[in-house]
Amino acid sequence: SQKIEQNSEALNIQEGKTATLTCNYTNYSPAYLQWYRQDPGRGPVFLLLIRENEKEKRKERLKVTFDTTLKQSLFHITASQPADSATYLCALLNNAGNMLTFGGGTRLMVKP
Amino acid sequence: GAVVSQHPSRVICKSGTSVKIECRSLDFQATTMFWYRQFPKQSLMLMATSNEGSKATYEQGVEKDKFLINHASLTLSTLTVTSAHPEDSSFYICSARRQGLFTEAFFGQGTRLTVV
Repeated sequence: SQKIEQNSEALNIQEGKTATLTCNYTNYSPAYLQWYRQDPGRGPVFLLLIRENEKEKRKERLKVTFDTTLKQSLFHITASQPADSATYLCALLNNAGNMLTFGGGTRLMVKP
Repeated sequence: GAVVSQHPSRVICKSGTSVKIECRSLDFQATTMFWYRQFPKQSLMLMATSNEGSKATYEQGVEKDKFLINHASLTLSTLTVTSAHPEDSSFYICSARRQGLFTEAFFGQGTRLTVV
């Protein structure tokens, strides 16, 4: 069966460090992978999209990698800030491109 | 950017009553909207796909008679939780995407439903 796995344990890091979150998937051949941020009691907010032919994508302090051989995406936040504390979700689009499936999310806590 | 508005953000209702949640796309037409349910510290679980002008498509295990979905216009989808019970208490979120493949999803603010 298809699975999207993210570390369910919270990631605690010190302000200024780089946070790295992992998304692993099985039984998918996604053309696109997306990352979202979700704050408590709010809907997710889109952050980045990366295509299968892109190894890396950057947006300000965010960097996403996509390794289709390892079936893994890494999400990095450099120079992390307490305001980056949230739950980060990865999501895969089905091959038809019309349906998103989400991983369980990883909670990031950045301590000042 | 595109905005999806969801209302109400919080609702408390008595067991046995029905609750309607609205989801609007404010600056684009959405032929398809998605309804998710999220339990505390868990992921978003797709409940149903709302299709404008036609019946919704429900995921396995979701009771279509309990969770009524209406998508009467290109900018509005509603989810009605009928005969609500305490186990229906959850966080419900809608989303919509612009037309075209592989576009990002825009989410509503979510609705916290508490059934007492």
